Amino acid sequence: AQTVTQSQPEMSVQEAETVTLSCTYDTSESNYYLFWYKQPPSRQMILVIRQEAYKQQNATENRFSVNFQKAAKSFSLKISDSQLGDTAMYFCAFMKLPSGTYKYIFGTGTRLKVLA
Amino acid sequence: SQTIHQWPATLVQPVGSPLSLECTVEGTSNPNLYWYRQAAGRGLQLLFYSVGIGQISSEVPQNLSASRPQDRQFILSSKKLLLSDSGFYLCAVFRQRSHYGYTFGSGTRLTVV
Repeated sequence: AQTVTQSQPEMSVQEAETVTLSCTYDTSESNYYLFWYKQPPSRQMILVIRQEAYKQQNATENRFSVNFQKAAKSFSLKISDSQLGDTAMYFCAFMKLPSGTYKYIFGTGTRLKVLA
Repeated sequence: SQTIHQWPATLVQPVGSPLSLECTVEGTSNPNLYWYRQAAGRGLQLLFYSVGIGQISSEVPQNLSASRPQDRQFILSSKKLLLSDSGFYLCAVFRQRSHYGYTFGSGTRLTVV
């Protein structure tokens, strides 16, 4: 069975600085998707970024980028130029492929606070 | 584009009372639908998923059940609530295969007293 581990329950960063959230996963599958979701205080879940396992190039979305290390089964999220609006709970998620169910396995989350 | 409606936003129910949370989806047909529960320190736990009308799969044994009476309607129920059923419940719909992401509802905060 797949597992997703986020070892940092809470983190803080100064506004405008860079922070990295870690995520490791365990799977015997060779093809899968990885995701980072953000849950701000409103609790609305928002997709931040996704990575396909067969792509070696790390995904980027504006200030958000990932460091995907397939052999190490590591998928960290880097937030550059942190903004107060980045304060949120961040969840790492795994989806194996192919999948008829498209189920996610989530980590336990990292609570990030951006300080003014 | 897909939109997902979930209600109510908050609910306070006594122990032993029934529960019905509803989730409806617009902008898609035959979607994959999911119910997750979020508890402190445990992340998001998948409770049920459905790949079609009347097709329900349960991920964890519990006091809850789910139904899908219509293509774009997913209901989470309980006949008798327990204190341990308290939590934040999220409905989600799987987006297009080219995207592989989910769209989540706004969630229901359930407090059992």
